[in-house]
Amino acid sequence: KNEVEQSPQNLTAQEGEFITINCSYSVGISALHWLQQHPGGGIVSLFMLSSGKKKHGRLIATINIQEKHSSLHITASHPRDSAVYICAVRNRETSGSRLTFGEGTQLTVNP
Amino acid sequence: DAGITQSPRHKVTETGTPVTLRCHQTENHRYMYWYRQDPGHGLRLIHYSYGVKDTDKGEVSDGYSVSRSKTEDFLLTLESATSSQTSVYFCAISEGGGQPQHFGDGTRLSIL
Repeated sequence: KNEVEQSPQNLTAQEGEFITINCSYSVGISALHWLQQHPGGGIVSLFMLSSGKKKHGRLIATINIQEKHSSLHITASHPRDSAVYICAVRNRETSGSRLTFGEGTQLTVNP
Repeated sequence: DAGITQSPRHKVTETGTPVTLRCHQTENHRYMYWYRQDPGHGLRLIHYSYGVKDTDKGEVSDGYSVSRSKTEDFLLTLESATSSQTSVYFCAISEGGGQPQHFGDGTRLSIL
């Protein structure tokens, strides 16, 4: 079993819909990251969080440390949100700044 | 955008040849990382560096070596490339071990 599991693997939505992507992990962590990979391949860091909730524009990330679960929400989705969204965790026990990544969720938002 | 440049962006080469990928940063960040990305797998860490001449192995380091002789450059070398090393390679940087990582645009490497 992977340390980091994302669901769903693929998600198709209509413009304007509220979207939720889930991330579950199996290890103790010091931080969780959400990243976005554009269709052209570039990867951008969206959030880093260790507790609670963070919001940036239409994106909201939440984490529940006790349940080892995080969600990424997109409100009022738009076709430009189409991308792969990747969850990554920093294992509390490992040295340095190693991250373990989920396989990603492919999001397609249709107009 | 963080100043990270990967070179080359694309490379096709033959099995058994040596290959070196370069990551150059202008941010003076201490940490630099090399990942590979393959279908069915998340990004996987190959090697990382936490300072000049300070490097450590990641989860898929076999067949790869790295060098960091100055802060701004982190080189990834495949001494004798194999077809299993066909992949997209990403470099990333971070200010500190617990800070967000900023990624380069990737290098698509094909080993025939």
